[in-house]
Amino acid sequence: AQTVTQSQPEMSVQEAETVTLSCTYDTSENNYYLFWYKQPPSRQMILVIRQEAYKQQNATENRFSVNFQKAAKSFSLKISDSQLGDTAMYFCAFGAANAGGTSYGKLTFGQGTILTVHP
Amino acid sequence: DTEVTQTPKHLVMGMTNKKSLKCEQHMGHRAMYWYKQKAKKPPELMFVYSYEKLSINESVPSRFSPECPNSSLLNLHLHALQPEDSALYLCASSLYWGGNTEAFFGQGTRLTVV
Repeated sequence: AQTVTQSQPEMSVQEAETVTLSCTYDTSENNYYLFWYKQPPSRQMILVIRQEAYKQQNATENRFSVNFQKAAKSFSLKISDSQLGDTAMYFCAFGAANAGGTSYGKLTFGQGTILTVHP
Repeated sequence: DTEVTQTPKHLVMGMTNKKSLKCEQHMGHRAMYWYKQKAKKPPELMFVYSYEKLSINESVPSRFSPECPNSSLLNLHLHALQPEDSALYLCASSLYWGGNTEAFFGQGTRLTVV
């Protein structure tokens, strides 16, 4: 089984500044994917960014980028030019990709980080 | 259409009631999921359907009964719930069941058991 740890329960940032959310994971799997999901007060979970473990290049989606350190099992999310609409709870998640494994097809979530963007 | 629609948005039910939650998607996804989420906690997987067949039941009590009538619909039938079952119930779908596919979530049903 795998574990996902988000060590920052809450963070805050000023509008237009940059913030980094931390995530570490532990797994014995060699084929997996990592995700960051955002859940605003509207409750809907929205995928922010996805990283394939076999890719060395860090994923980027507009203002969102990750720092994926496979050896260290670290997967942090950087939000640049923070906007008020980024206020949400952010979940790091792990998806095992080896078919037949007991964890296949299940997302393992971290405990979440509540991010507040201040004007 | 990239939406997962859940109804109702809010539900209050007594411990002796029977109710159902409904989830619908028209993205052609073949995997659908039910999650339970307590306040300020991560979602917990309950059930996974793949090609309309129950593939995962995470040891969920039998008072929760899932049903997948077709590839677009997912129901969760509720009976004799307990107050501790009060939570946000999220439905999700993905193109197929696997570790690398993006899951699309609905807005959830806020359930209160009284």
